Amino acid sequence: AQKVTQAQTEISVVEKEDVTLDCVYETRDTTYYLFWYKQPPSGELVFLIRRNSFDEQNEISGRYSWNFQKSTSSFNFTITASQVVDSAVYFCALSGFTGGGNKLTFGTGTQLKVEL
Amino acid sequence: GAVVSQHPSRVICKSGTSVKIECRSLDFQATTMFWYRQFPKKSLMLMATSNEGSKATYEQGVEKDKFLINHASLTLSTLTVTSAHPEDSSFYICSAQAEDTSYNEQFFGPGTRLTVL
Repeated sequence: AQKVTQAQTEISVVEKEDVTLDCVYETRDTTYYLFWYKQPPSGELVFLIRRNSFDEQNEISGRYSWNFQKSTSSFNFTITASQVVDSAVYFCALSGFTGGGNKLTFGTGTQLKVEL
Repeated sequence: GAVVSQHPSRVICKSGTSVKIECRSLDFQATTMFWYRQFPKKSLMLMATSNEGSKATYEQGVEKDKFLINHASLTLSTLTVTSAHPEDSSFYICSAQAEDTSYNEQFFGPGTRLTVL
């Protein structure tokens, strides 16, 4: 069975602080994909990144960066110099190939509040 | 590209009525669509996988007769909440998987907020 754990339920930071959102996953698949989504108050999911299990290179996109550590089954997300517009719920998700095809398993989400 | 729409975006209905939610892939064909349910401040829970031209596959604990899913074409899947009750109030999100995707990427619709009075 697949499982995604986001231990941080809620994080509050002051604008311009850096913040890291943790994600730990479990899967028996050797090939799988990891995702991060942002869900602002409007409810629509915004795709942020996809990473496959064979690509452990970290990635940076503007103020966002992701650290994939296969050895610890973690896929953490860091926002540098946070802004109020970053306030949202962030979901980590996993898609594998075992007994269910391409189903996405979501973590419970981390509510990020960025204050002035 | 890869736009998924949902209609309606918001619906309020009386208890006992049925509500149909449409999910459309606007610029690509989707063999597979997924329906999720999200309670306030909770995660997305997969309800069912909808395959074009065949019966949907429901997740454990999801009532098939309560949540009817039809995937009549490669661009449209519908979710009908039958005899809705207040406990069915939730945010329903669909996603569509493009046929040629090699990344298991699902494109999400904007969601439908259902309130049952």
